[in-house]
Amino acid sequence: AQSVTQLDSHVSVSEGTPVLLRCNYSSSYSPSLFWYVQHPNKGLQLLLKYTSAATLVKGINGFEAEFKKSETSFHLTKPSAHMSDAAEYFCVVSDRGSTLGRLYFGRGTQLTVWP
Amino acid sequence: AAGVIQSPRHLIKEKRETATLKCYPIPRHDTVYWYQQGPGQDPQFLISFYEKMQSDKGSIPDRFSAQQFSDYHSELNMSSLELGDSALYFCASSNTERGAASAGELFFGEGSRLTVL
Repeated sequence: AQSVTQLDSHVSVSEGTPVLLRCNYSSSYSPSLFWYVQHPNKGLQLLLKYTSAATLVKGINGFEAEFKKSETSFHLTKPSAHMSDAAEYFCVVSDRGSTLGRLYFGRGTQLTVWP
Repeated sequence: AAGVIQSPRHLIKEKRETATLKCYPIPRHDTVYWYQQGPGQDPQFLISFYEKMQSDKGSIPDRFSAQQFSDYHSELNMSSLELGDSALYFCASSNTERGAASAGELFFGEGSRLTVL
């Protein structure tokens, strides 16, 4: 079975400081892993994805994540936070062996960016 | 670029009433997914359709039904509404033939917020 655990429900940072959103996954198969972002009253937007190529994945808006199989982690980072990064972030896993596309979401991390 | 269109964006219903949500996928996308996100919760998979046939089923109540039509749009029908059905309902689409679904590249609409009073 697939699942993800987001270790922090809320993260607060000051603008210009680094962002770290933590995610651990559990998967019976080789997983595909994603980070989605949700701004208030908006749909979910794909930030980045890992599907077995390079373990360090670069996404949009300066975000990146590193797949660490030994630690079953896929933490999301950004060197310098911007006010516009304030949103809800979801770590997501999908069974790569499935073509059905079902995604399993973590509980989300609310990122607050202080000026 | 065209995105996933959902309607209505907001809907208010009374208990035991019926509601219908509509989803128009991105052109040439052949797969539609429905997710339910309760207040403060993560999105939960309800059901999906590929080429107008149900392809996967998640935690969808028996009171709910859905279908995908010949033009690929999908409708989620909810009957005997309960207070607990109040949630944001997301539709997403993907192009399965390109293998995008297996890569998890779903494109989400902005959601339909259902409030049951």
